[in-house]
Amino acid sequence: AQSVTQLDSHVSVSEGTPVLLRCNYSSSYSPSLFWYVQHPNKGLQLLLKYTSAATLVKGINGFEAEFKKSETSFHLTKPSAHMSDAAEYFCVVRRETGGTSYGKLTFGQGTILTVHP
Amino acid sequence: NAGVTQTPKFQVLKTGQSMTLQCAQDMNHNSMYWYRQDPGMGLRLIYYSASEGTTDKGEVPNGYNVSRLNKREFSLRLESAAPSQTSVYFCASRTSGNTDTQYFGPGTRLTVL
Repeated sequence: AQSVTQLDSHVSVSEGTPVLLRCNYSSSYSPSLFWYVQHPNKGLQLLLKYTSAATLVKGINGFEAEFKKSETSFHLTKPSAHMSDAAEYFCVVRRETGGTSYGKLTFGQGTILTVHP
Repeated sequence: NAGVTQTPKFQVLKTGQSMTLQCAQDMNHNSMYWYRQDPGMGLRLIYYSASEGTTDKGEVPNGYNVSRLNKREFSLRLESAAPSQTSVYFCASRTSGNTDTQYFGPGTRLTVL
Protein backbone atom coordinates (compact mmCIF):
# COMPACT_ATOMS: atom_id res chain seq x y z
CA ALA A 1 0.00 0.00 0.00
CA GLN A 2 1.12 3.56 -0.54
CA SER A 3 0.44 6.59 1.58
CA VAL A 4 1.33 10.24 1.87
CA THR A 5 1.62 12.34 5.03
CA GLN A 6 1.74 16.11 4.90
CA LEU A 7 3.24 17.07 8.22
CA ASP A 8 1.55 20.47 8.58
CA SER A 9 -2.11 21.19 8.00
CA HIS A 10 -1.46 24.97 8.05
CA VAL A 11 1.67 27.02 7.32
CA SER A 12 1.80 30.77 7.74
CA VAL A 13 4.63 32.94 6.35
CA SER A 14 5.30 36.60 5.65
CA GLU A 15 5.61 37.83 2.10
CA GLY A 16 9.23 37.62 0.95
CA THR A 17 10.22 34.86 3.40
CA PRO A 18 10.96 31.23 2.48
CA VAL A 19 8.25 28.58 2.21
CA LEU A 20 8.67 24.97 3.33
CA LEU A 21 5.81 22.47 3.00
CA ARG A 22 6.71 19.02 4.26
CA CYS A 23 5.70 15.68 2.78
CA ASN A 24 6.66 12.10 3.64
CA TYR A 25 5.57 9.15 1.57
CA SER A 26 5.39 5.40 1.80
CA SER A 27 5.35 3.14 -1.23
CA SER A 28 6.19 -0.50 -1.86
CA TYR A 29 6.96 0.26 -5.47
CA SER A 30 8.97 2.84 -7.33
CA PRO A 31 6.79 5.94 -6.99
CA SER A 32 6.29 9.11 -8.90
CA LEU A 33 5.63 12.11 -6.71
CA PHE A 34 3.75 15.30 -7.41
CA TRP A 35 2.78 18.57 -5.82
CA TYR A 36 -0.55 20.10 -6.82
CA VAL A 37 -1.89 23.51 -5.83
CA GLN A 38 -5.53 24.49 -5.39
CA HIS A 39 -6.53 28.12 -5.15
CA PRO A 40 -9.86 28.89 -3.45
CA ASN A 41 -12.85 27.55 -5.39
CA LYS A 42 -10.61 26.34 -8.20
CA GLY A 43 -9.50 22.98 -9.56
CA LEU A 44 -6.09 21.44 -8.99
CA GLN A 45 -3.05 22.57 -10.92
CA LEU A 46 0.19 20.63 -11.22
CA LEU A 47 3.16 22.45 -9.65
CA LEU A 48 5.88 19.89 -10.27
CA LYS A 49 6.55 16.16 -10.55
CA TYR A 50 9.33 13.70 -9.81
CA THR A 51 9.59 10.64 -12.05
CA SER A 52 12.98 9.08 -11.20
CA ALA A 53 15.09 11.53 -13.17
CA ALA A 54 16.80 14.39 -11.30
CA THR A 55 16.11 14.36 -7.56
CA LEU A 56 15.77 18.17 -7.42
CA VAL A 57 12.69 19.12 -9.37
CA LYS A 58 11.82 22.64 -10.43
CA GLY A 59 8.22 23.63 -10.96
CA ILE A 60 6.14 26.62 -11.87
CA ASN A 61 6.08 29.93 -9.98
CA GLY A 62 9.52 29.42 -8.41
CA PHE A 63 8.67 26.28 -6.46
CA GLU A 64 10.97 23.30 -6.24
CA ALA A 65 11.07 19.99 -4.39
CA GLU A 66 13.78 17.49 -3.56
CA PHE A 67 13.23 13.75 -3.60
CA LYS A 68 15.14 12.08 -0.74
CA LYS A 69 14.75 8.34 -0.87
CA SER A 70 16.66 7.72 2.37
CA GLU A 71 14.25 10.00 4.23
CA THR A 72 11.16 9.09 2.12
CA SER A 73 10.51 12.79 1.81
CA PHE A 74 9.49 15.18 -0.96
CA HIS A 75 9.37 18.62 0.63
CA LEU A 76 8.21 21.66 -1.35
CA THR A 77 10.16 24.92 -1.07
CA LYS A 78 10.19 28.43 -2.44
CA PRO A 79 12.84 31.04 -1.56
CA SER A 80 10.48 34.00 -1.31
CA ALA A 81 6.72 33.81 -0.77
CA HIS A 82 4.31 35.96 -2.74
CA MET A 83 0.78 36.88 -1.77
CA SER A 84 -0.50 34.93 -4.78
CA ASP A 85 1.00 31.73 -3.33
CA ALA A 86 -1.75 31.56 -0.71
CA ALA A 87 -3.58 28.32 -1.51
CA GLU A 88 -3.88 24.69 -0.47
CA TYR A 89 -1.09 22.36 -1.53
CA PHE A 90 -1.33 18.61 -1.99
CA CYS A 91 1.52 16.11 -2.06
CA VAL A 92 0.61 13.11 -4.20
CA VAL A 93 2.18 9.71 -4.84
CA ARG A 94 1.50 7.58 -7.89
CA ARG A 95 2.17 3.89 -8.04
CA GLU A 96 4.31 3.04 -11.06
CA THR A 97 4.11 -0.74 -11.16
CA GLY A 98 1.75 -3.45 -10.04
CA GLY A 99 -1.25 -4.55 -12.07
CA THR A 100 -4.57 -2.80 -11.70
CA SER A 101 -3.23 -0.21 -9.26
CA TYR A 102 -0.97 1.25 -11.89
CA GLY A 103 -1.31 5.00 -12.19
CA LYS A 104 -3.53 5.49 -9.15
CA LEU A 105 -2.92 8.69 -7.19
CA THR A 106 -2.88 8.84 -3.42
CA PHE A 107 -3.30 12.35 -2.00
CA GLY A 108 -2.01 13.82 1.20
CA GLN A 109 -4.42 15.66 3.46
CA GLY A 110 -3.36 19.06 2.18
CA THR A 111 -1.46 22.03 3.63
CA ILE A 112 -3.06 25.46 3.64
CA LEU A 113 -0.48 28.17 3.02
CA THR A 114 -1.25 31.64 4.32
CA VAL A 115 0.94 34.56 3.25
CA HIS A 116 0.88 37.74 5.35
CA PRO A 117 1.82 41.14 3.93
CA ASN B 1 -8.56 22.67 -26.10
CA ALA B 2 -10.99 23.01 -23.23
CA GLY B 3 -9.16 20.31 -21.24
CA VAL B 4 -11.43 18.63 -18.71
CA THR B 5 -14.93 20.05 -18.32
CA GLN B 6 -17.53 19.23 -15.68
CA THR B 7 -21.22 19.99 -15.37
CA PRO B 8 -22.90 21.23 -13.31
CA LYS B 9 -20.67 23.50 -11.24
CA PHE B 10 -23.08 23.59 -8.31
CA GLN B 11 -25.97 21.35 -7.30
CA VAL B 12 -28.27 21.06 -4.29
CA LEU B 13 -30.19 17.80 -3.82
CA LYS B 14 -32.61 16.47 -1.26
CA THR B 15 -31.89 13.16 0.43
CA GLY B 16 -33.01 10.30 -1.83
CA GLN B 17 -32.83 12.24 -5.09
CA SER B 18 -30.67 11.03 -7.93
CA MET B 19 -28.39 12.90 -10.31
CA THR B 20 -25.56 12.42 -12.78
CA LEU B 21 -22.37 14.44 -12.83
CA GLN B 22 -20.94 14.83 -16.31
CA CYS B 23 -17.27 14.94 -17.29
CA ALA B 24 -15.66 15.28 -20.71
CA GLN B 25 -12.09 15.65 -21.92
CA ASP B 26 -10.80 16.65 -25.33
CA MET B 27 -7.18 15.55 -24.91
CA ASN B 28 -7.66 12.01 -26.27
CA HIS B 29 -6.69 10.56 -22.89
CA ASN B 30 -7.26 6.89 -22.17
CA SER B 31 -7.78 7.04 -18.40
CA MET B 32 -10.38 9.01 -16.49
CA TYR B 33 -11.04 9.37 -12.78
CA TRP B 34 -13.64 10.63 -10.30
CA TYR B 35 -12.55 11.97 -6.92
CA ARG B 36 -14.30 13.57 -4.00
CA GLN B 37 -12.68 16.23 -1.84
CA ASP B 38 -13.60 16.69 1.79
CA PRO B 39 -11.93 19.08 4.26
CA GLY B 40 -8.76 17.66 5.81
CA MET B 41 -8.91 14.47 3.74
CA GLY B 42 -7.32 15.42 0.44
CA LEU B 43 -8.88 13.84 -2.63
CA ARG B 44 -10.17 10.28 -2.52
CA LEU B 45 -10.70 8.14 -5.60
CA ILE B 46 -14.28 7.01 -6.18
CA TYR B 47 -14.03 5.20 -9.52
CA TYR B 48 -11.70 5.17 -12.45
CA SER B 49 -11.65 4.00 -16.03
CA ALA B 50 -8.29 2.86 -17.37
CA SER B 51 -9.60 2.79 -20.92
CA GLU B 52 -12.83 3.01 -22.87
CA GLY B 53 -15.13 0.17 -21.89
CA THR B 54 -13.57 -0.51 -18.48
CA THR B 55 -14.33 0.84 -15.01
CA ASP B 56 -12.98 -0.06 -11.58
CA LYS B 57 -13.71 0.86 -7.99
CA GLY B 58 -11.46 3.23 -6.10
CA GLU B 59 -11.23 3.87 -2.36
CA VAL B 60 -14.80 5.09 -1.72
CA PRO B 61 -17.18 3.65 -4.37
CA ASN B 62 -20.24 2.97 -2.18
CA GLY B 63 -23.31 4.94 -3.23
CA TYR B 64 -21.95 5.74 -6.68
CA ASN B 65 -22.01 4.29 -10.17
CA VAL B 66 -20.09 5.32 -13.27
CA SER B 67 -20.38 5.02 -17.02
CA ARG B 68 -17.56 5.42 -19.52
CA LEU B 69 -19.80 6.46 -22.39
CA ASN B 70 -16.98 6.79 -24.91
CA LYS B 71 -13.34 7.85 -24.83
CA ARG B 72 -14.25 11.46 -24.09
CA GLU B 73 -16.96 11.12 -21.45
CA PHE B 74 -17.08 9.61 -17.97
CA SER B 75 -20.17 10.20 -15.83
CA LEU B 76 -20.76 9.69 -12.11
CA ARG B 77 -24.24 8.82 -10.85
CA LEU B 78 -25.71 9.10 -7.39
CA GLU B 79 -28.77 6.86 -7.34
CA SER B 80 -30.09 7.93 -3.92
CA ALA B 81 -28.20 10.89 -2.54
CA ALA B 82 -27.29 11.03 1.15
CA PRO B 83 -25.99 13.96 3.23
CA SER B 84 -22.65 12.10 3.54
CA GLN B 85 -22.20 12.66 -0.19
CA THR B 86 -22.02 16.42 0.27
CA SER B 87 -18.61 17.17 -1.19
CA VAL B 88 -16.70 18.68 -4.07
CA TYR B 89 -16.31 16.24 -6.95
CA PHE B 90 -13.41 16.37 -9.37
CA CYS B 91 -12.99 14.57 -12.64
CA ALA B 92 -9.51 13.97 -14.04
CA SER B 93 -7.98 12.41 -17.12
CA ARG B 94 -4.57 11.02 -17.92
CA THR B 95 -2.61 9.88 -20.90
CA SER B 96 -0.18 7.01 -20.56
CA GLY B 97 3.58 6.75 -20.24
CA ASN B 98 6.31 7.39 -17.72
CA THR B 99 5.91 11.15 -17.51
CA ASP B 100 2.16 11.52 -17.68
CA THR B 101 0.12 13.78 -15.49
CA GLN B 102 -3.49 13.83 -14.38
CA TYR B 103 -5.43 16.89 -15.54
CA PHE B 104 -8.28 18.00 -13.33
CA GLY B 105 -11.60 19.62 -14.12
CA PRO B 106 -12.88 22.65 -12.19
CA GLY B 107 -15.06 20.59 -9.85
CA THR B 108 -18.74 20.21 -8.96
CA ARG B 109 -19.84 21.42 -5.55
CA LEU B 110 -22.69 19.15 -4.37
CA THR B 111 -24.84 19.70 -1.29
CA VAL B 112 -27.30 17.04 -0.12
CA LEU B 113 -29.88 18.29 2.36
